[in-house]
Amino acid sequence: AQSVDQPDAHVTLSEGASLELRCSYSYSAAPYLFWYVQYPGQSLQFLLKYITGDTVVKGTKGFEAEFRKSNSSFNLKKSPAHWSDSAKYFCALGNNNNAPRFGAGTKLSVKP
Amino acid sequence: AQTIHQWPVAEIKAVGSPLSLGCTIKGKSSPNLYWYWQATGGTLQQLFYSITVGQVESVVQLNLSASRPKDDQFILSTEKLLLSHSGFYLCAWSHSISNERLFFGHGTKLSVL
Repeated sequence: AQSVDQPDAHVTLSEGASLELRCSYSYSAAPYLFWYVQYPGQSLQFLLKYITGDTVVKGTKGFEAEFRKSNSSFNLKKSPAHWSDSAKYFCALGNNNNAPRFGAGTKLSVKP
Repeated sequence: AQTIHQWPVAEIKAVGSPLSLGCTIKGKSSPNLYWYWQATGGTLQQLFYSITVGQVESVVQLNLSASRPKDDQFILSTEKLLLSHSGFYLCAWSHSISNERLFFGHGTKLSVL
């Protein structure tokens, strides 16, 4: 079965701290993994993707993510966090011959 | 450059009334097209996707249907709205099915009363 899990519904931290949003996946083949961000009242914006190769991928807005096959994770990171990073973040799994599957999302609040 | 346009931006509809939402992609031939539904503050649920004109695959129907009458157009519709249809509808396109990013439209906010 294919699935994406974002175990943290909400994450709150202070500006200047390091952020790490968790994502785990279940997929029998080599995964294609993505992170998207959704600001309040807006649509989704692409941050980064992992297809193959380097396990650390860099994206837009200063974000990066690390792919770990050993524990099927693809965590999103940024340091330092800024109040403008407050948004909802979605991890997604590319799904052969089907629409990409999204996790439930993590709402990030960065306090000034 | 490719652009994606969704219409309308927002709708307020009565239970039992029909609905038609649209999405147009310009500047990209033969895009893969998707419809997603998001409950308020919730996750994204895959609804439909299309690889080519006239062909639509259903992931979760939710008493909705989709059509692709033209290469650049994707339509989501129902003849009778339910309260549970309220939410945010997102159209997206990609270059291919699995290993490419999605480009999302601005979305349509639907309120069913």
